[in-house]
Amino acid sequence: DIVLTQSPLSLPVTPGEPASISCKSSQSLLHSNGFTYLNWYLQRPGKSPQLLIYLGSRRASGVPDRFSGSGTGTDFTLRISRVEAEDIGVYYCMQALQTLTFGGGTKVEI
Amino acid sequence: QVQLVQSETEVHKPGASVTVSCKSSGFSFTSHPIHWVRQAPGQGLEWMGWINAGSGNRKSSPKFQGRLSLTTDTSANTAYMRLTSLRFEDTAIYYCARFWADGEALDFWGQGSLVTVSS
Repeated sequence: DIVLTQSPLSLPVTPGEPASISCKSSQSLLHSNGFTYLNWYLQRPGKSPQLLIYLGSRRASGVPDRFSGSGTGTDFTLRISRVEAEDIGVYYCMQALQTLTFGGGTKVEI
Repeated sequence: QVQLVQSETEVHKPGASVTVSCKSSGFSFTSHPIHWVRQAPGQGLEWMGWINAGSGNRKSSPKFQGRLSLTTDTSANTAYMRLTSLRFEDTAIYYCARFWADGEALDFWGQGSLVTVSS
């Protein structure tokens, strides 16, 4: 299975400031079709995960543009340009190149 | 709108079985595989398996060694996850989620079903 390693485990943030989370894959997530099969999710406290970013860098419907995803191959980053209070929760990366696997999660708290 | 509505909380003894349902609406049930993901208390997300109601294809994580059964009822647009021989460590919230092929992502999730295994 593909292993995804997220860092940091915990990320204290300040509203209005930027934040970033790293996700490293044990193998390249670049498909032969040219797309990168890496997604980002936010799980707010007591809620189901919500899709933020798909195919590495594309924002899901309704996701604010302060969220952005980047990276290629094995190294990926989720960036929040200006953190808002509603952004707290646990962020997960997930790969869909092979049998789905998730990163361990990054807890974002104010 | 797309919705996945799951069955409610359940409590079972070790060795028993549990079935969680996931009723879909707002999309073509046979065109999107349904995945099952679980989350133990305070832990991360664990993929369990998927089923495609249209083709009948399915795949489960080897971790569950034959204890996991995924089925669908296309007349009711509902997917089912049955886990047998329950163990204390199966205590978790179980989620169903729709797979979106164009985005290669799980784009809509059910609200989760808490299954507690306790003697």
